[in-house]
Amino acid sequence: GAVVSQHPSWVICKSGTSVKIECRSLDFQATTMFWYRQFPKQSLMLMATSNEGSKATYEQGVEKDKFLINHASLTLSTLTVTSAHPEDSSFYICSARYGTGNSPLHFGNGTRLTVT
Amino acid sequence: AQTVTQSQPEMSVQEAETVTLSCTYDTSESNYYLFWYKQPPSRQMILVIRQEAYKQQNATENRFSVNFQKAAKSFSLKISDSQLGDTAMYFCAYQGGSEKLVFGKGMKLTVNP
Repeated sequence: GAVVSQHPSWVICKSGTSVKIECRSLDFQATTMFWYRQFPKQSLMLMATSNEGSKATYEQGVEKDKFLINHASLTLSTLTVTSAHPEDSSFYICSARYGTGNSPLHFGNGTRLTVT
Repeated sequence: AQTVTQSQPEMSVQEAETVTLSCTYDTSESNYYLFWYKQPPSRQMILVIRQEAYKQQNATENRFSVNFQKAAKSFSLKISDSQLGDTAMYFCAYQGGSEKLVFGKGMKLTVNP
């Protein structure tokens, strides 16, 4: 079946540094990937839609200069948290669609980011 | 904007029993998809079941079935013969023309031995 790999699974960084999270579709091409953020015991909130070869579309309230998204190829999207602060600590999950628009999303395993 | 509401934050059930998780949604679209996702402690999102709004027949997947009431905008999930491995957070989700998934707040299900 369709597999989405996310790396790293957890990361600890210091305030002010940047962290890059990778999302790869292992056995299919994904023209669109989605990035979600999940706070403890809460739901997934869509941050942005990543489109291969074009700029990402950010949801309202998400700082595009802080959360840089690059969809360099049909199998890779990256999320870079720039100048991280403790409030950026969260669980970040990517997803990709295998097939057409009515196909279900497949999710990565998520990345737990802790900013100290 | 579409919204998804899961009013029950938490439920528990005994192993082998049946449990129903409720979900309502609000939309003005006529064509859309509804999903139930499961998130166990590993935090991996797992698709449980999917329903196309244009289909009147309720979707079923082994022990999982839905009661889709389009007019009432209700989409409940029934888990039969509950198993310990069903313990997880369950999220109801909506996907319309924008192809974005909108999630409900989730419900924590605990299956007790």
